[in-house]
Amino acid sequence: NAGVTQTPKFQVLKTGQSMTLQCAQDMNHNSMYWYRQDPGMGLRLIYYSASEGTTDKGEVPNGYNVSRLNKREFSLRLESAAPSQTSVYFCASSGTGTLGRNEKLFFGSGTQLSVL
Amino acid sequence: GDSVTQMEGPVTLSEEAFLTINCTYTATGYPSLFWYVQYPGEGLQLLLKATKADDKGSNKGFEATYRKETTSFHLEKGSVQVSDSAVYFCALHGDTGGFKTIFGAGTRLFVKA
Repeated sequence: NAGVTQTPKFQVLKTGQSMTLQCAQDMNHNSMYWYRQDPGMGLRLIYYSASEGTTDKGEVPNGYNVSRLNKREFSLRLESAAPSQTSVYFCASSGTGTLGRNEKLFFGSGTQLSVL
Repeated sequence: GDSVTQMEGPVTLSEEAFLTINCTYTATGYPSLFWYVQYPGEGLQLLLKATKADDKGSNKGFEATYRKETTSFHLEKGSVQVSDSAVYFCALHGDTGGFKTIFGAGTRLFVKA
């Protein structure tokens, strides 16, 4: 089972460049998320999509945009990369749509991004 | 707002030692509580969860009890193995609606043979 697939696994950008991180899940989940992981700060939510056709800001949305292309795919775009966006990015998905308190997250293996 | 605080690492133990990783939370209402584990080079995966007070979550020899009176969800294992070396994240999902799981900063565990 593929689960949650993220591409690319590694990326180096120069300040000001743009790029899109791709994420796809094959579990028929309604909700998808983008997190960033920084040392000593755990995971912080960037954007999420509760269901196909909707997106909402999380805790740290500045400098990012997202697109929920269809039920399977949720992409994260950096329009003009900055060194502060150097991080490990994780895509995750959950649930059947009830959004219950018991929902667990399924994570991709991450994208390590460096912005020089 | 909701938050999770867990002990700083790294934690270094010898094989077969007892493990405790402390986690406390702040939340209104009755959140669900989770422990996720991240092995090197991988994404996070759910280790265990508890959804109401006094529930005990358990998996792979790990346990954690939801203590509402102390707002804690400490992770324990009686005898760690080298293969348990990973980063452990405590997390909560509040019951006030919304789609957000809040994570602690993570605790790195090293187990020596």
